[in-house]
Amino acid sequence: DAKTTQPNSMESNEEEPVHLPCNHSTISGTDYIHWYRQLPSQGPEYVIHGLTSNVNNRMASLAIAEDRKSSTLILHRATLRDAAVYYCILRDSGNEKLTFGTGTRLTIIP
Amino acid sequence: DGGITQSPKYLFRKEGQNVTLSCEQNLNHDAMYWYRQDPGQGLRLIYYSQIVNDFQKGDIAEGYSVSREKKESFPLTVTSAQKNPTAFYLCASSLYSKLYTEAFFGQGTRLTVV
Repeated sequence: DAKTTQPNSMESNEEEPVHLPCNHSTISGTDYIHWYRQLPSQGPEYVIHGLTSNVNNRMASLAIAEDRKSSTLILHRATLRDAAVYYCILRDSGNEKLTFGTGTRLTIIP
Repeated sequence: DGGITQSPKYLFRKEGQNVTLSCEQNLNHDAMYWYRQDPGQGLRLIYYSQIVNDFQKGDIAEGYSVSREKKESFPLTVTSAQKNPTAFYLCASSLYSKLYTEAFFGQGTRLTVV
């Protein structure tokens, strides 16, 4: 399975943009890049996913490098409710296996 | 309302007893998953199932068993062979689709074995 690498933790000030990086140098052509986040004592929730092009939704934006070996989740204006562990995951379109890494713990400073 | 339900939220068992965690979904999803999470750690995949009557081992299947007799249900049994069963258990489901959809998670069951 292709692996992802994320920083263990990051901090950001409230109301500022946050850029969460993810490296996936062994990504294959059929792997989708997914992001989930997990609030304390809850199950993870989907944030965004993409294949090659940058993606936007109401929660965040996903910027994917041209060679697809890295991606960045962008929270445009962080709030205290965005404090969570963020997971970057690769998902093969031919395989339903969904494997999580250790994620990035994001702390928002008021 | 559509969703994925895990029960109970908290579960206590004595060491040496088997215990079954429930996971039900009414989203008509094909794939279902079980994960284990230890304090301060990420999620580790125990078992997953793509269709009814079929399931595959994840990364830490030893000491666990599952069944998938119905599309809606994917119960997990933590057996006495699991050496460190105390953990937070999460169930998830998703559509089996090459277009790639999101996975939905339950709220988890916190199992404590004493």
